[in-house]
Amino acid sequence: GENVEQHPSTLSVQEGDSAVIKCTYSDSASNYFPWYKQELGKRPQLIIDIRSNVGEKKDQRIAVTLNKTAKHFSLHITETQPEDSAVYFCAASSGGGADGLTFGKGTHLIIQP
Amino acid sequence: DTGVSQDPRHKITKRGQNVTFRCDPISEHNRLYWYRQTLGQGPEFLTYFQNEAQLEKSRLLSDRFSAERPKGSFSTLEIQRTEQGDSAMYLCASSLNSADTQYFGPGTRLTVL
Repeated sequence: GENVEQHPSTLSVQEGDSAVIKCTYSDSASNYFPWYKQELGKRPQLIIDIRSNVGEKKDQRIAVTLNKTAKHFSLHITETQPEDSAVYFCAASSGGGADGLTFGKGTHLIIQP
Repeated sequence: DTGVSQDPRHKITKRGQNVTFRCDPISEHNRLYWYRQTLGQGPEFLTYFQNEAQLEKSRLLSDRFSAERPKGSFSTLEIQRTEQGDSAMYLCASSLNSADTQYFGPGTRLTVL
């Protein structure tokens, strides 16, 4: 089955700086890669996703890049703000997202004022 | 609130008891997923439904676990003879069709004493 590794487990950055979270996956059949943000005690919420026919996707301060050859994808957050503090999870799925998602263990992002 | 809802939000039970959780997906969403999340980990896929048909079950779903979606709308997840290791947050998610975003509910936190 699929295995998703996520690094780092904790990331502390100064407000206004950029943050990068990296994930690798094992199953070459995976073709859908969402990123979820989870605040303490809240439900996971999708922030951005990418499919394997695309190398990069941006949405305002958030971007995701995908390298299918190396089987890794990354989340980039620019101009970080205090409200970006949360746990971020990457995930992978085959079937274009139709099947169950395999999640990484999460990255606790801390934005220092 | 038109999002995914789950009931109850919290459940405390004694080891050996049976528990049942309910998930109401977003209206008209065909796919419904169950995940389990333990502290400090990402959600782990358990099973999913396309309408009333259960299409995939993870190896994590032991024979003490059963899920149903009898009319293709709400779903129930039952755990029989609960064990302390079953203590976790049980998350439900739904998507409109096979290639759409999975939207998560707030979860049911189970504590087995």
